[in-house]
Amino acid sequence: AQSVTQLDSQVPVFEEAPVELRCNYSSSVSVYLFWYVQYPNQGLQLLLKYLSGSTLVKGINGFEAEFNKSQTSFHLRKPSVHISDTAEYFCAVSEASGNTGKLIFGQGTTLQVKP
Amino acid sequence: DAGITQSPRHKVTETGTPVTLRCHQTENHRYMYWYRQDPGHGLRLIHYSYGVKDTDKGEVSDGYSVSRSKTEDFLLTLESATSSQTSVYFCAISRDRGPNGNQPQHFGDGTRLSIL
Repeated sequence: AQSVTQLDSQVPVFEEAPVELRCNYSSSVSVYLFWYVQYPNQGLQLLLKYLSGSTLVKGINGFEAEFNKSQTSFHLRKPSVHISDTAEYFCAVSEASGNTGKLIFGQGTTLQVKP
Repeated sequence: DAGITQSPRHKVTETGTPVTLRCHQTENHRYMYWYRQDPGHGLRLIHYSYGVKDTDKGEVSDGYSVSRSKTEDFLLTLESATSSQTSVYFCAISRDRGPNGNQPQHFGDGTRLSIL
């Protein structure tokens, strides 16, 4: 079974500052990793995904994440945030060999960008 | 945006009543999922479907049932609603597994369900 831990429930940051949202996972098998963003009163939108290949993954809106197998981490980063990045961010994993695509989500991190 | 419509978007009902939520997709995707979102828990899988009439349980399936009689529709039923089922419910869809692995899920806008 897999599990996901997002280490910070809230991350306050000033506009134009860099940000890192941390995600660690636990699994006995190979996994795929995802970051989703949820704006208020909306569904989840895929930011980026790691399936294989390069461990540095670039996504939409200037976000990127690095897969670190030895540390079982998949931290999300952005070099300069905007007010519009204020949202809740979810890290998720799925079993790489499985064919159901079931996702296990972390608890979520609320990013609060201040002017 | 992926063509996913959840209905109703909001519902208030009383304990003990049956409730059915509908997810409708226009993408012809094979997989459909129902999640619930609660503060501090992220999203948790209730049930999922891997084809017409093919469904399976997720991690929080007690008190819920599902049906999929057509590719485009996935229904979630609370047989006898309880206050603990007050939550925001999300439907998601994904394509069949491709050569590069599982396809990402695309989410609807959610149904906010309150059970008094």
